[in-house]
Amino acid sequence: EAQVTQNPRYLITVTGKKLTVTCSQNMNHEYMSWYRQDPGLGLRQIYYSMNVEVTDKGDVPEGYKVSRKEKRNFPLILESPSPNQTSLYFCASRGRNQETQYFGPGTRLLVL
Amino acid sequence: AQKVTQAQTEISVVEKEDVTLDCVYETRDTTYYLFWYKQPPSGELVFLIRRNSFDEQNEISGRYSWNFQKSTSSFNFTITASQVVDSAVYFCALGGMDTGRRALTFGSGTRLQVQP
Repeated sequence: EAQVTQNPRYLITVTGKKLTVTCSQNMNHEYMSWYRQDPGLGLRQIYYSMNVEVTDKGDVPEGYKVSRKEKRNFPLILESPSPNQTSLYFCASRGRNQETQYFGPGTRLLVL
Repeated sequence: AQKVTQAQTEISVVEKEDVTLDCVYETRDTTYYLFWYKQPPSGELVFLIRRNSFDEQNEISGRYSWNFQKSTSSFNFTITASQVVDSAVYFCALGGMDTGRRALTFGSGTRLQVQP
C-alpha cells in the first residue's frame, strides 16, 4: 500500500531534550516536506526537500533541522525543543511531475 | 504572496442537509492548483480533490461537488445530503508554481459538525 508513515504518532517531552520525528514514504517520491498545524493557522511548511541531499527552508524553519540521506526518509529534528513547538506535525510527499501531496498520519508533540 | 481564506470557522448542520464550505484564494501565479483536504477526528489529512487553474469545470463525486470560479477566486465545496461521517475539519489549499518549493498554502480550516 502506497503510504507516508511517521513515528512516533504521539510524543511528550521536556524543553531542551533533542528529539527526532521520522518520516518514510514508499512511493519513490522525489519531493518531501514537513508542515506544522496550529489552531487557527492551518498548516505551515517547515522544510522541504526536492531530492536526496537537497533541502531548503519553508515558512517556519526556526528551531528545526532536517536531513535527506535516502530518498524514502526525511526526518525532522528538534535539537532543543521549546513549548512553542508544541504542535501537530505532518510529513508529505509527492512525485516529480505530480502536484498532489500525500500526507502522513501526523505526530502530536507536546513540549513541557 | 499567496493566501487562502476560509471565513467559516465552524458549521453545524443536521443530517441530510446540504452544506457549502467557502474558500477564497489570492495568488499572482497564472498557473496554480487548488485542493481540498479532509481531517477527521482521528487527525489524518485525506486528499479529496485537486483542481488546476486552467480547468474551470465543476466536479461531482458522489455527494461531493466543487465549484471553481476564477472570476471570484473561489473554490467552494458542497456536500449534499450530509452524513454524520462527514463531520471533520476541511482545509482548502493553494499550490503555486514557485521554483521548487511548491509549498501548499492552507486556509485555517472549517469545522463541520453533522448532527444526527
